[in-house]
Amino acid sequence: GQNIDQPTEMTATEGAIVQINCTYQTSGFNGLFWYQQHAGEAPTFLSYNVLDGLEEKGRFSSFLSRSKGYSYLLLKELQMKDSASYLCAVPDSNYQLIWGAGTKLIIKP
Amino acid sequence: EADIYQTPRYLVIGTGKKITLECSQTMGHDKMYWYQQDPGMELHLIHYSYGVNSTEKGDLSSESTVSRIRTEHFPLTLESARPSHTSQYLCASSEAGETEAFFGQGTRLTVV
Repeated sequence: GQNIDQPTEMTATEGAIVQINCTYQTSGFNGLFWYQQHAGEAPTFLSYNVLDGLEEKGRFSSFLSRSKGYSYLLLKELQMKDSASYLCAVPDSNYQLIWGAGTKLIIKP
Repeated sequence: EADIYQTPRYLVIGTGKKITLECSQTMGHDKMYWYQQDPGMELHLIHYSYGVNSTEKGDLSSESTVSRIRTEHFPLTLESARPSHTSQYLCASSEAGETEAFFGQGTRLTVV
């Protein structure tokens, strides 16, 4: 079956760096997505990894290791507006996204 | 910017009422989805569609129905609302063969 694990909550300081981990188990692999969701709002797309390695996009980077079933989202130079939930998702064999419960990131001044 | 719209944004209704949540997208996407999400909890897929006249049930048992008569429109209907239906309902769409999903703003439903 499919399974995704993420920490429930993390706290970090404004200006710092934080790494949010995601482990997954899937039958077959069709990539991994990261989404950001502010409280009460809809998720918005952050990144998509299908090959191993690090993909950098501004302050946000996403890493994937297919052999380990592991990904992380790295957020640099944290800003207060980065306070949100970060959702990890992988497509199943029918290309329907399976979602993790999300990691709530709290940024403190 | 994604062009997917949901109405209403907020709705409070009485138990037993029939309601339809609207979702429209102007991106020409074939695939559309309805998710249910309680505060701080994960997204649960309740219905999806591969295209016109295609509807499938998701992994969450639901007493709702959907229809897909037009590509751009994917309404969700609750025949008889109950307090257990109180939740946020998110509509999303994606291109065929692609899985990046674009979300609407959501409908926050309260059944009293």
